[in-house]
Amino acid sequence: SQQGEEDPQALSIQEGENATMNCSYKTSINNLQWYRQNSGRGLVHLILIRSNEREKHSGRLRVTLDTSKKSSSLLITASRAADTASYFCATETGTDYKLSFGAGTTVTVRA
Amino acid sequence: KAGVTQTPRYLIKTRGQQVTLSCSPISGHRSVSWYQQTPGQGLQFLFEYFSETQRNKGNFPGRFSGRQFSNSRSEMNVSTLELGDSALYLCASRSGQGGEGTEAFFGQGTRLTVV
Repeated sequence: SQQGEEDPQALSIQEGENATMNCSYKTSINNLQWYRQNSGRGLVHLILIRSNEREKHSGRLRVTLDTSKKSSSLLITASRAADTASYFCATETGTDYKLSFGAGTTVTVRA
Repeated sequence: KAGVTQTPRYLIKTRGQQVTLSCSPISGHRSVSWYQQTPGQGLQFLFEYFSETQRNKGNFPGRFSGRQFSNSRSEMNVSTLELGDSALYLCASRSGQGGEGTEAFFGQGTRLTVV
């Protein structure tokens, strides 16, 4: 079973617009990570946010974490065609050495 | 530094056969994990190895097994293949103790099709 649920399942935006996707999870976590996957290839790590952090930035990415609501959001600003991909949140709940992934959000950036 | 390498990239097998997939982690990484990705179930954790020891296993039948060698390379094996085993199998490696809070580096995956 998956720990995270992502919303929306799919998103289509114009180049230059911002894209926001959300991730909700069920149990307490130690950290939450976001990954990107292009066309069924390998996943690329984007950003990690720990349970005691509320917000992190990396380039055009902004991640927030609300542990009271068990949710996180990923914002991509000024989107580009190259941002077209599936985005997954993944949680870690302890020292069990595994990532529990959400179902993912498919983002399409139109030129 | 070379990334995570998975071989083969594509594989077609017949029901009932067995298959072995290989993963070479990033040099120096001792933690290797395997995940199965399907359209219906998404990304599911299979198992994790560190220094040749399996530290965790996902909820998969015993037909799925793995191992890790002293050079940290890992293999996973699926016996008696079923149509439902068709999936993208992803390998990931982590640095240090491979535990909580470390970034996972993924390979490009092996696309297994069972016919």
